[in-house]
Amino acid sequence: GAVVSQHPSWVICKSGTSVKIECRSLDFQATTMFWYRQFPKQSLMLMATSNEGSKATYEQGVEKDKFLINHASLTLSTLTVTSAHPEDSSFYICSASPGGYGYTFGSGTRLTVV
Amino acid sequence: GEDVEQSLFLSVREGDSSVINCTYTDSSSTYLYWYKQEPGAGLQLLTYIFSNMDMKQDQRLTVLLNKKDKHLSLRIADTQTGDSAIYFCAESITGNQFYFGTGTSLTVIP
Repeated sequence: GAVVSQHPSWVICKSGTSVKIECRSLDFQATTMFWYRQFPKQSLMLMATSNEGSKATYEQGVEKDKFLINHASLTLSTLTVTSAHPEDSSFYICSASPGGYGYTFGSGTRLTVV
Repeated sequence: GEDVEQSLFLSVREGDSSVINCTYTDSSSTYLYWYKQEPGAGLQLLTYIFSNMDMKQDQRLTVLLNKKDKHLSLRIADTQTGDSAIYFCAESITGNQFYFGTGTSLTVIP
């Protein structure tokens, strides 16, 4: 079946540095990918929709300059958390929809900013 | 990675019960979750069950876990039109990595 690979699985970084998270579709092309952030009680908030070859669409309240999304190819979307702070520590997960039916999720990235 | 499977579509009549099924492959899963996604929104956690439980009930929602068959189900009693959404099951072993199903699109017919 369709697989989305997300890397890294976990990362620890110092406050003020930037961290890049990759989301790859391994066996299908994804013109659209979605980025989520996990909040308390484990609900996943949609942060942005990543569109191949064009600008990402950010949800209200998500800082586009802080969470940079690049979708340069049909199989790769990246989320860069710039100038990370401890409040950015969270679980980030991406998903894509192969063929428009159903969704495939990455396994997530646990970011800890110290 | 782990394999979590769901049917893609389910239609029910308003007032009937909905049963959404999910199978998973990793017997060491610790947590099993059900999420609801409405159009354009994130994934709202509906309920979860620990792997040492067989059943959990929360108002109109009943979760059944069959560990032997690695089968998880979500029953929605008295289904309403507002229940129309995509429902995802997910498993986690450590709480730090999640494996989601493809989602079941529930359509409630008035």
